[in-house]
Amino acid sequence: EIVLTQSPATLSLSPGERATLSCRASQSVSSFLAWYQQKPGQAPRLLIYDATNRATGIPARFSGSGSGTDFTLTISSLEPEDFAVYYCQQRSNWPPLTFGQGTRLEIK
Amino acid sequence: EVQLIESGGGLVQPGGSLRLSCAAAGFTFSSYGMNWVRQTPGKGLEWISYISDSSNTIYYADSVKGRFTSSRDNAKNSLYLQMNSLRDEDTGVYYCADIAAGGIGRGYWGQGTLVAVSS
Repeated sequence: EIVLTQSPATLSLSPGERATLSCRASQSVSSFLAWYQQKPGQAPRLLIYDATNRATGIPARFSGSGSGTDFTLTISSLEPEDFAVYYCQQRSNWPPLTFGQGTRLEIK
Repeated sequence: EVQLIESGGGLVQPGGSLRLSCAAAGFTFSSYGMNWVRQTPGKGLEWISYISDSSNTIYYADSVKGRFTSSRDNAKNSLYLQMNSLRDEDTGVYYCADIAAGGIGRGYWGQGTLVAVSS
């Protein structure tokens, strides 16, 4: 089973700042990594698929990078609606499909 | 517009059973493999089952193998999860989701249905 480790667990930033979230895989997942955003009481929403591709309707301030075992989600300039929990998920070697434990992005 | 709508959750005693449903609309359901994912306070997001478009391939997480059964009815655009021998640790929000394939127009989740296992 591929384990995904996200860091930091919590990130405290202000609107307008740049956010950098990390996801590390226990073995290579090539580029088969997705990022999701989840707000309270809502389902996760796909932001990035296959490491670098923005999903339909996702603003350009969200970008993904990385391959192999190290991945980054960057939000270039935080908007108030971006404060949420972010998860990574791999689909390279499954079953099982696996998720990271999440990074909570909170307002400083 | 893609829609995935889960139903069937509720309160059940340990050892009991529930059947979840997921109604799909807005895409060619019969061409998509689908998944069940749950979210619990203890384990976060946990994938629990995948069923291929034709039901020929079905996978389960070890935590539910032998207790849960996935099925689908492509004529009704519906996905099902039969949950037997429920345990306290099965408590959580259950989502149907398209998370095993990449590409444009993929990656949708339902709104979830809450399952509570308690005596």
